[in-house]
Amino acid sequence: GAGVSQSPSNKVTEKGKDVELRCDPISGHTALYWYRQSLGQGLEFLIYFQGNSAPDKSGLPSDRFSAERTGGSVSTLTIQRTQQEDSAVYLCASSLSGTSLSDTQYFGPGTRLTVL
Amino acid sequence: QQQVKQSPQSLIVQKGGISIINCAYENTAFDYFPWYQQFPGKGPALLIAIRPDVSEKKEGRFTISFNKSAKQFSLHIMDSQPGDSATYFCAASRGNTGKLIFGQGTTLQVKP
Repeated sequence: GAGVSQSPSNKVTEKGKDVELRCDPISGHTALYWYRQSLGQGLEFLIYFQGNSAPDKSGLPSDRFSAERTGGSVSTLTIQRTQQEDSAVYLCASSLSGTSLSDTQYFGPGTRLTVL
Repeated sequence: QQQVKQSPQSLIVQKGGISIINCAYENTAFDYFPWYQQFPGKGPALLIAIRPDVSEKKEGRFTISFNKSAKQFSLHIMDSQPGDSATYFCAASRGNTGKLIFGQGTTLQVKP
């Protein structure tokens, strides 16, 4: 079966522009997560969706970042007025329920964002 | 505030040797501790995970050792192979939030 897919795989943008990153989770997975991986850094949690609602947005770094999920499936992470410090790999993960302690999170390949 | 600290940052091991990566956590409410393996250009993939009610879990060549009192856990890779060369991340989560707090990662190189 298909895994988590993300698009685009690479995105180069100019400072100040808005970008949208897309995540298609594994079919049937109700939980969806966004993480950010900066060069040489670990993965930083951004936001968690349970269905279409986001009970935990605590990792979003500023109000320039927002995310939505529709139909309990596809999610879009939007970064407005991009800054150079936004350059990173943005990873999406999904899990079956998100409410089980040992629910495995399956990661997509990520979108590498470069802000010039 | 970094809640999960991982060491070493990088590790070079000869083929057949034992690779050991250590992690320490601060939040005693954490109750799930997975290790993820990441190859260049790929997303992380779950390797092995443990809960704090056991002190050790083994899957093939991979073993997690867990010390609840010290708030530390480690990954041991026995008979390390060049194909194990990757970046390894420890992580921790609390309750049923699902949110993973990751360590900084360890880049492992296994020399033939």
